[in-house]
Amino acid sequence: GDSVTQMEGPVTLSEEAFLTINCTYTATGYPSLFWYVQYPGEGLQLLLKATKADDKGSNKGFEATYRKETTSFHLEKGSVQVSDSAVYFCALSDRGFGQNFVFGPGTRLSVLP
Amino acid sequence: EAQVTQNPRYLITVTGKKLTVTCSQNMNHEYMSWYRQDPGLGLRQIYYSMNVEVTDKGDVPEGYKVSRKEKRNFPLILESPSPNQTSLYFCASSFRGEGAQYFGPGTRLTVT
Repeated sequence: GDSVTQMEGPVTLSEEAFLTINCTYTATGYPSLFWYVQYPGEGLQLLLKATKADDKGSNKGFEATYRKETTSFHLEKGSVQVSDSAVYFCALSDRGFGQNFVFGPGTRLSVLP
Repeated sequence: EAQVTQNPRYLITVTGKKLTVTCSQNMNHEYMSWYRQDPGLGLRQIYYSMNVEVTDKGDVPEGYKVSRKEKRNFPLILESPSPNQTSLYFCASSFRGEGAQYFGPGTRLTVT
């Protein structure tokens, strides 16, 4: 079945450091890919998405590019802030098979001042 | 305001006592889904619904029931809760099941 793998973390960075969180997927169809963020005590919020190969999703300084050849969707940000501390989930939606969603295990990010 | 609401937010119950967690969305979304979130296991889908009267099992449906009689509501029913169903539950909805999902605030359930 479909699956999403991402670096487990936790990831600890200093403010203004560069962030990369790796995400790779397996899917039998042509999935849409997403990054969600969960702040403490809250539900998940969509951060960005890409629906086809080579699409780049971006939001709030975060970016991720849909790479079909490497089945990857790595999340990057050039300069993290303390307020970016959260858990980040990579996810896919495979439209060809039941349209259900599959999430990665999440990566906890802590940004220190 | 576009939102997904869940009730209750916190619930402590005993083994075997039937309970329902309600979920409602005001965005006219066709697709709704339930997830549970457990430490070390991430987010796992329980059930989803493509539209009214159309539901299907996710990855971990055992011990749960759902119904979709109205487009806006998608309650999660635990007929006979057990301690292994202690978890944080999220409801989500989206347009046509392929776009971004909007999540509710979560329901923390403890079964003793």
